[in-house]
Amino acid sequence: GAGVSQSPSNKVTEKGKDVELRCDPISGHTALYWYRQSLGQGLEFLIYFQGNSAPDKSGLPSDRFSAERTGGSVSTLTIQRTQQEDSAVYLCASSLSLSEQFFGPGTRLTVL
Amino acid sequence: QKEVEQNSGPLSVPEGAIASLNCTYSDRGSQSFFWYRQYSGKSPELIMFIYSNGDKEDGRFTAQLNKASQYVSLLIRDSQPSDSATYLCAAPQGGKLIFGQGTELSVKP
Repeated sequence: GAGVSQSPSNKVTEKGKDVELRCDPISGHTALYWYRQSLGQGLEFLIYFQGNSAPDKSGLPSDRFSAERTGGSVSTLTIQRTQQEDSAVYLCASSLSLSEQFFGPGTRLTVL
Repeated sequence: QKEVEQNSGPLSVPEGAIASLNCTYSDRGSQSFFWYRQYSGKSPELIMFIYSNGDKEDGRFTAQLNKASQYVSLLIRDSQPSDSATYLCAAPQGGKLIFGQGTELSVKP
């Protein structure tokens, strides 16, 4: 079956612009996660959605970052007024439980 | 102290040797641990998880957990060049996984 998909695969933007990154989780997966991975670094947790519960936003680095998940499925991560330090690969993952997270291919964001 | 810690490496081993990857964690309440493998330019993929103290074997991979020492490791026997990747240790916290920085493994032919 289809895995986690993300779009766009690459995004180049200018400093100060807003960007939207999209994640389509595996059908039926109730949990959805966003991570950020800078070059040569580990995974930095950003936000976590579980069913209809309030999202865990504890990892969002600033109020320029926000995310929503519509209808318990597709999620959009929005970064406002992008900065060069926002350049990274943004990974989305989904899971049925905490036993295994399935990752999407990621969106590589470059802020010039 | 970081919640999940790993040596970043790189760890270099010859082909056929045993690679030993280590991870420590700070939350004594953690009950399960996950090892993900990430090839360069690719997304992480789960290779093993372990819940109980002791060893868990799956093919050439063995995960070891010592809850008293808050230590989890991954052994790769008969290492192959195709095992060259970054290995990420993760532990659950509040419904999400906290990842270590990852250890880069290089298996030399």
